[in-house]
Amino acid sequence: DADVTQTPRNRITKTGKRIMLECSQTKGHDRMYWYRQDPGLGLRLIYYSFDVKDINKGEISDGYSVSRQAQAKFSLSLESAIPNQTALYFCATGSGGYNEQFFGPGTRLTVL
Amino acid sequence: AQSVTQLGSHVSVSEGALVLLRCNYSSSVPPYLFWYVQYPNQGLQLLLKYTTGATLVKGINGFEAEFKKSETSFHLTKPSAHMSDAAEYFCAVSDGGGSNYKLTFGKGTLLTVNP
Repeated sequence: DADVTQTPRNRITKTGKRIMLECSQTKGHDRMYWYRQDPGLGLRLIYYSFDVKDINKGEISDGYSVSRQAQAKFSLSLESAIPNQTALYFCATGSGGYNEQFFGPGTRLTVL
Repeated sequence: AQSVTQLGSHVSVSEGALVLLRCNYSSSVPPYLFWYVQYPNQGLQLLLKYTTGATLVKGINGFEAEFKKSETSFHLTKPSAHMSDAAEYFCAVSDGGGSNYKLTFGKGTLLTVNP
């Protein structure tokens, strides 16, 4: 079984809809991250969490919110989706002092 | 603040040729450096990492990278490209622990391998 799972893997939604992307991990890591990937822009950090009570904004948090329901679960919400939020979204966990990160398979989100 | 520059958004090589993907970084503290690979429709997978010690690091699938502090570089190489190496490659830097357990990624280099 995959160590970091994301659901759904693909989602098409309409402008203005609320949508939640979910991430679960079995690696036992405290640190979890949400990124978005856009062609030619690499990965940009949306939110990150070092434990259930520690949540931090990344470089592009506007329009997004997160919830850390448990050590193993970290959800990303788009309160009112807009077309420029169409992207590939990755969840990752982090471990160790070197901050190696482990990625889920991604969720491809399309906002029409 | 740390940053990563990957020279060349697209690199094309012939099968059997040398692969060289360039990465330069900036960091105010000794960096930890990573190369990740993303195959089509998949997440990112760690290829190799530099933390401390030996500056030439070997990774999976025959890739290696050399940390050169004087040049602030961490270029990725493979002596002989294989068709299965076609993917997007990302260089990333971390300044390690303290309160900043974050990675900064480059914009990626798409590697095409021609038969």
